[in-house]
Amino acid sequence: DAGVIQSPRHEVTEMGQEVTLRCKPISGHDYLFWYRQTMMRGLELLIYFNNNVPIDDSGMPEDRFSAKMPNASFSTLKIQPSEPRDSAVYFCASSPKRGLSYEQYFGPGTRLTVT
Amino acid sequence: QQQVKQSPQSLIVQKGGISIINCAYENTAFDYFPWYQQFPGKGPALLIAIRPDVSEKKEGRFTISFNKSAKQFSLHIMDSQPGDSATYFCAANDHNYGQNFVFGPGTRLSVLP
Repeated sequence: DAGVIQSPRHEVTEMGQEVTLRCKPISGHDYLFWYRQTMMRGLELLIYFNNNVPIDDSGMPEDRFSAKMPNASFSTLKIQPSEPRDSAVYFCASSPKRGLSYEQYFGPGTRLTVT
Repeated sequence: QQQVKQSPQSLIVQKGGISIINCAYENTAFDYFPWYQQFPGKGPALLIAIRPDVSEKKEGRFTISFNKSAKQFSLHIMDSQPGDSATYFCAANDHNYGQNFVFGPGTRLSVLP
């Protein structure tokens, strides 16, 4: 399996622009997670889906952030409008339903820089 | 109460030495404690995990020690190698609360050759 695929790997944009990050989870995995990683705040869960349905979006910073999962093989995280403080590495992860707590497989991340 | 504290922030160990990273939590409902390893430019990868019904779990050179009464758990890396140089994150989850994992702030480990 190719693992979790994220695109783009790097994104540089200007403040105010719309940014869309993409994720393809591992086939057969029931859960998909979006994380943000910064030096100051560490690894933060933004939102996660179960069978394409958003379960918990309490980590989404504000209304500028939105996430969708139109099908089992694709998810997007959109920031509109982007701000410099959104600069971070964004990870997508997926996990199979196995037992009580599920091992998460992370993608390589998208490094976002907002100038 | 949802926080996981991790120490030290950084650690330097000689090749062949033992690396020890500690984590502490407050929420007694946590019932799954994984450790993730992250190399620069990569996503975190699961290294080893433990549930509170056991006090220790070993996989190769990596061991988790778990102290339920103290609400602490630690990662021990025996015979540390330069290839182990990475950032290590502890995490915790209460499966009754869904799949929300709380991550520690991370420990940057450097193993000197």
